[in-house]
Amino acid sequence: KAGVTQTPRYLIKTRGQQVTLSCSPISGHRSVSWYQQTPGQGLQFLFEYFSETQRNKGNFPGRFSGRQFSNSRSEMNVSTLELGDSALYLCASSFGELYNEQFFGPGTRLTVL
Amino acid sequence: KQEVTQIPAALSVPEGENLVLNCSFTDSAIYNLQWFRQDPGKGLTSLLLIQSSQREQTSGRLNASLDKSSGRSTLYIAASQPGDSATYLCAFGGSNTGKLIFGQGTTLQVKP
Repeated sequence: KAGVTQTPRYLIKTRGQQVTLSCSPISGHRSVSWYQQTPGQGLQFLFEYFSETQRNKGNFPGRFSGRQFSNSRSEMNVSTLELGDSALYLCASSFGELYNEQFFGPGTRLTVL
Repeated sequence: KQEVTQIPAALSVPEGENLVLNCSFTDSAIYNLQWFRQDPGKGLTSLLLIQSSQREQTSGRLNASLDKSSGRSTLYIAASQPGDSATYLCAFGGSNTGKLIFGQGTTLQVKP
């Protein structure tokens, strides 16, 4: 069974631009969660989607948004990029509930110049 | 506010040693706790998941325990190997939080 895949793996953007990241969960998994990882703040929860609905949301500004499609694939979008948005963005999928075992993708490394 | 603390932040041991990584949490309303491993620049690999009704879980040389009353979990690694070198993260799943809350991790180096 294929694991969680994320595209692209690396991105370089400039301040003010916007970016879209993609996550394909493990087949059969309906929950997708997104996390931001930085050296200073560690891993922080962005949001979780289940069956195309956002179920939970972390404490991030409205510039961070996401969606989930009927095939469970998910995208997250960051508008008006800031230098502080440079991070490793990880998505995780699980079967059903958020608290089921989480399987993580390799992440997308975003650098904002 | 729920806090998850991992001690120590870094650990260096010679190959073959048994070691214990600690994770503490402040919220008693726990649903489960997960331990992950992260290699540099990579995603997280799930190691063990302990439900709130369980006391411990084992997988190979790894054993994780959960003590809800003291708000602690420990990850025991037996007979450490250089390939165990990585950052180990614990994640708290609270009954009321709707999300996983991660500790800052313990970076382990096992020297040959």
